[in-house]
Amino acid sequence: DTGVSQDPRHKITKRGQNVTFRCDPISEHNRLYWYRQTLGQGPEFLTYFQNEAQLEKSRLLSDRFSAERPKGSFSTLEIQRTEQGDSAMYLCASSLGASGREYEQYFGPGTRLTVT
Amino acid sequence: AQSVTQPDIHITVSEGASLELRCNYSYGATPYLFWYVQSPGQGLQLLLKYFSGDTLVQGIKGFEAEFKRSQSSFNLRKPSVHWSDAAEYFCAVGNNAGNMLTFGGGTRLMVKP
Repeated sequence: DTGVSQDPRHKITKRGQNVTFRCDPISEHNRLYWYRQTLGQGPEFLTYFQNEAQLEKSRLLSDRFSAERPKGSFSTLEIQRTEQGDSAMYLCASSLGASGREYEQYFGPGTRLTVT
Repeated sequence: AQSVTQPDIHITVSEGASLELRCNYSYGATPYLFWYVQSPGQGLQLLLKYFSGDTLVQGIKGFEAEFKRSQSSFNLRKPSVHWSDAAEYFCAVGNNAGNMLTFGGGTRLMVKP
């Protein structure tokens, strides 16, 4: 069990550019989640996948954001036309979709995005 | 809608002293409750969870939490704090579908030598 990994760990971009982040969940976990955490706040839910299907999206996920999990393994989160307000830590988590275990989410180290 | 309140933004305790971090939740059904810890540069680590049954749950690193339905609380406790416990602590409630966690704003713990 190597844990949830995220890449890159840090990203600095200019306003208006597109960025893409990757998340590799724990290998046997079929559920994957994205959260956003701004400074001094708790994480906020963005979206959730079960296998390759995106089943839940928060209203925080504007149409500039898109997430995919093409083969039910790794996931990508893309932000188009970045704005300064997108600066945050983007956290990925995964869980095992078995009875009771789906509630235990394991988090990666996050990708810190800074939009200048 | 579910929500979590952590009333204390910062807490400072002396090493060896006891600790209690407060958490109040709002959820219409039986809650699934969690405490996570986040150290600088690290991801969120699950300390403990409550799903049902015994209202006093034990976690890792010597932490425990007590679920009190009448008070809508799930406070985290530790009898003797170590300097390495300095971190940010988040309480969270999970929805019944198990597809979303709602976090509180966090409590930053500082430990004095």
